[in-house]
Amino acid sequence: SAVISQKPSRDICQRGTSLTIQCQVDSQVTMMFWYRQQPGQSLTLIATANQGSEATYESGFVIDKFPISRPNLTFSTLTVSNMSPEDSSIYLCSVVGGTGTSGNTIYFGEGSWLTVV
Amino acid sequence: DAKTTQPNSMESNEEEPVHLPCNHSTISGTDYIHWYRQLPSQGPEYVIHGLTSNVNNRMASLAIAEDRKSSTLILHRATLRDAAVYYCILRTSGTYKYIFGTGTRLKVLA
Repeated sequence: SAVISQKPSRDICQRGTSLTIQCQVDSQVTMMFWYRQQPGQSLTLIATANQGSEATYESGFVIDKFPISRPNLTFSTLTVSNMSPEDSSIYLCSVVGGTGTSGNTIYFGEGSWLTVV
Repeated sequence: DAKTTQPNSMESNEEEPVHLPCNHSTISGTDYIHWYRQLPSQGPEYVIHGLTSNVNNRMASLAIAEDRKSSTLILHRATLRDAAVYYCILRTSGTYKYIFGTGTRLKVLA
């Protein structure tokens, strides 16, 4: 399985500010995703991070609020813009596994826990 | 997207087997059944997946009904470290878009 590192692991942010979360993978992966998990809730897919092109966003998520970059096959960033307390969540990076049976699964980072005050 | 239904919570005694059910009556022929678990303060962790046949790995077993409208994740001997939220997810072949339901919160009693 791929090893996924996210930074920051935790942060407390002021409302109205923006924060960029980084996701680094220890191997090249074809597909990367960003999820959000609000307090006490399940995970919701924000977008697919596409290498070399604009991210593909799910319904309810827009690029102005959650700009995503993916400059290469091992790295992506998610920015949470103009934050409000409702953005307090865990943000998780995930990637599709390698070849063989593991190629059918995705793996998650440990998440970035953001609190907006 | 096909949906799954799971009980909100379950309890088990330590060292005993646990059967976690999942209903997916709208499953299509190309949907894989995946199970993940999320331990407190961690990202989701892959447990097991299958298509039609029962599957075993070092973590668990997956029993899939003959009509594929339901499945059961089996933990053979629950430990305190197995306390987590368990998610049953359907993934359409050729895509990696996972739709997470509410999951089952498993409590393991010492």
